[in-house]
Amino acid sequence: EIVLTQSPDFQSVTPKEKVTITCRASQNTGSSLHWYQQKPGQSPKLLIKYASQSISGVSSRFSGSGSGTDFTLTINSLEAEDAATYYCHQSSTLPWTFGQGTKVEIK
Amino acid sequence: QVQLVQSGAEVKKPGASVKVSCKASGYTFISYHINWIRRATGQGLEWMGWMDPNSGNRGYAQKFQGRVTLTRSTSISTAYMELSSLRSEDTAIYYCVRTPSGEVDVWGQGTTVTVSS
Repeated sequence: EIVLTQSPDFQSVTPKEKVTITCRASQNTGSSLHWYQQKPGQSPKLLIKYASQSISGVSSRFSGSGSGTDFTLTINSLEAEDAATYYCHQSSTLPWTFGQGTKVEIK
Repeated sequence: QVQLVQSGAEVKKPGASVKVSCKASGYTFISYHINWIRRATGQGLEWMGWMDPNSGNRGYAQKFQGRVTLTRSTSISTAYMELSSLRSEDTAIYYCVRTPSGEVDVWGQGTTVTVSS
């Protein structure tokens, strides 16, 4: 199965800073890589699909890039409401797999 | 609005089975695959299997083969996940999700299953 490794595991960030989260796949996933945000007590929410495609209703501060094995989620000008755990997910190959998550805390 | 509403929390003894329901509303149930994902205590998100509500075709993660069964009732727009031979490691939050293609665009609210003697 494809292993997704996110870095960092945890990040403490000041409001208005830029946040970069990476996701590295153990095999080529093409562009079949998606990003989600999960806040405590809530279900995950889709932020970016197919590496870089934006989602209607999601803030334009969230963007994604990459292909193959290396992907990046960028949050521009972090806001307090962005405190959450972020996950990458590959749908290139069954079984689908997820990264371990990156927790973003607001300083 | 589009939503998936799951059944309530369950407490089961080791060796028992659990069946979680997932009722879809706000869209045509048979038009989108339903997948099931769980987060066990202290673990990450784990994919369990998929089902095409239109054809009934389904597939399971090898880890759960023989223990999980996905079914649906198109008349009431509801999908089901049954997990048997429960053990403590199956204590988790179980999510049904809608997948237009590879991405998950709608998540159920999650169903907590606790396995304890």
